[in-house]
Parts: sequence; structure tokens; C-alpha cells
Amino acid sequence: GEDVEQSLFLSVREGDSSVINCTYTDSSSTYLYWYKQEPGAGLQLLTYIFSNMDMKQDQRLTVLLNKKDKHLSLRIADTQTGDSAIYFCAEWSNTGKLIFGQGTTLQVKP
Amino acid sequence: NAGVTQTPKFQVLKTGQSMTLQCAQDMNHNSMYWYRQDPGMGLRLIYYSASEGTTDKGEVPNGYNVSRLNKREFSLRLESAAPSQTSVYFCASMTGGASNEQFFGPGTRLTVL
Repeated sequence: GEDVEQSLFLSVREGDSSVINCTYTDSSSTYLYWYKQEPGAGLQLLTYIFSNMDMKQDQRLTVLLNKKDKHLSLRIADTQTGDSAIYFCAEWSNTGKLIFGQGTTLQVKP
Repeated sequence: NAGVTQTPKFQVLKTGQSMTLQCAQDMNHNSMYWYRQDPGMGLRLIYYSASEGTTDKGEVPNGYNVSRLNKREFSLRLESAAPSQTSVYFCASMTGGASNEQFFGPGTRLTVL
């Protein structure tokens, strides 16, 4: 079945790079997404990548997609305290639904 | 342009009580969704509506009903609340574009005692 897996927690120092990893099972996924959830708020789309791409860069964010290994990563350069949040990986499955991972809590220490 | 709005923001119920969570979007989106978020489990789809007049079950529909009142509004009803339904509930709507981006409301935090 469709499944998306993420590690639950990542802690980094301010100014370092953060890398959040995700694996998925549906090889027919067309789009893969990264959402950010700040405390007490809903989810906000950060970025997405189409399945025929290997990489997408958007300012401090870099998304890498390895289709062979079904592995997706989000790199945040120069991580700031304002980046502290829960980050969700999601895939658009062939059943026409968005499948979410469990979320990775990113803690940024000053 | 308010995006996706949800009411109420917080609610406490006793076991067996009923309530309706309201959701509205002003982006003219066809598709709307209800999710629940539980610690360590991500978001799980309860019900969705691909267009006005249609609704379908998601991953965890038991104990819930939905109504797509019109294109803007999609409500979620708990007929007889149970402690297992304590959760944060999110409504979302989706663009019809190629990227299938979903826009989320701020959530309703529900506690069932």
C-alpha cells in the first residue's frame, strides 16, 4: 500500500544546514511535497517537485529526489530559529489523494 | 481573501455528544478535504469531496459524516463523540492545477472527555 516515512525529530544549531529525509512506496507518484506546520497553525506548502525532476532549488531550500530509491530530502541552508516547525513530506498517489508522512520536528538551537 | 476558514478553533465535548465542524473556502476550489492529525501519525484523510455534490470516504471515516453544502462549504459531523476522536482536525481545499497544491485551514482542536 501507499506509505510515507520520516524520522520524527532533528535538532540543529542556528546557521547550520538541516536535512530532513523521507521515503515513500508509491513509484507512480507524480508530485512530492514538503509542508511546514508552525505551532498552533495549519500546514503551509513549502515546495514541491515533479517526479521527473532530480532537484529543485528555491532560495534556502533544496529538494532532492532519488526515484530509484524512492527517497526525498529537504535541505534548509543557514537554518534560522524561525525555521523551527514540523515538516511533512507528502506524495500525490495514484488513488488521487495526498499521503502524508508522520512529520519531522525541527528544533533550531541558538 | 480569507483562504480556508474553520470554526470553532477549540471544542471540548463529553462522550456521546454530537457536533459539526465547519469549513469554508473562498478560492473557488472544487475539491475539499477533512484530515485529522494525531501525534506521531501525520495527517490521515477522513473524507473528501472532489466536487460539489460528491463525497467519498478516506482512510479513517468511521464515526464521522460530511456534507458538501455548496462549492464553498464542507462540514464534518461527529454524531456520538468518543475519546478516540480527540484530535486536531484540518480542512483543506485544492487547486485544479497540475501541481495539486492543497491549502489548509488553521485547524480545530477537539477534546472528547
